[in-house]
Amino acid sequence: AQTVTQSQPEMSVQEAETVTLSCTYDTSESDYYLFWYKQPPSRQMILVIRQEAYKQQNATENRFSVNFQKAAKSFSLKISDSQLGDAAMYFCAFLDSNYQLIWGAGTKLIIKP
Amino acid sequence: DGGITQSPKYLFRKEGQNVTLSCEQNLNHDAMYWYRQDPGQGLRLIYYSQIVNDFQKGDIAEGYSVSREKKESFPLTVTSAQKNPTAFYLCASSSGGSSTDTQYFGPGTRLTVL
Repeated sequence: AQTVTQSQPEMSVQEAETVTLSCTYDTSESDYYLFWYKQPPSRQMILVIRQEAYKQQNATENRFSVNFQKAAKSFSLKISDSQLGDAAMYFCAFLDSNYQLIWGAGTKLIIKP
Repeated sequence: DGGITQSPKYLFRKEGQNVTLSCEQNLNHDAMYWYRQDPGQGLRLIYYSQIVNDFQKGDIAEGYSVSREKKESFPLTVTSAQKNPTAFYLCASSSGGSSTDTQYFGPGTRLTVL
């Protein structure tokens, strides 16, 4: 069975600093997609970034970037220049061959002003 | 505006009652999904539908039912058979049928059993 593990239940970072959230996954598939979603206090789930496994280049969206290590099955999210609005739960997710998302348990990110 | 709407935002149910959660999308997406979220946990898939008039059970379908009579709508009924229904319910949609699928989410419904 495919699994997604987020080993950090909570992380904190000073405003304007950089923070990295960890995610590892387990699969026997070679082609797949990985996602990071953000869930702020409003609880709406918002897509942050997406990575295709066949691409070697790490995905980037403004201040958000990933470090995708396919051999190690690692997919970490780096947030640069952290802002107060980045405070949220962050979920890592894996899209399986049935087009279903497998979710990690989430990491709570706290931004210190 | 294109998007996904869920109603109501908060729902209270007495034990033994069935309730229906609404999910509507105007993104012209083929696929729709229902997830349940409990405190401190990730999302768990209840049901999904890749096309109108067809749907499949997810990991935790017991005590729930769905219908997909229209492309835009995918209502979820929480039946009295669901032993612990208090949770946050999220609906999502995607263009469907592709490994490049990205799911987009509605704002959610908080269900509380009294």
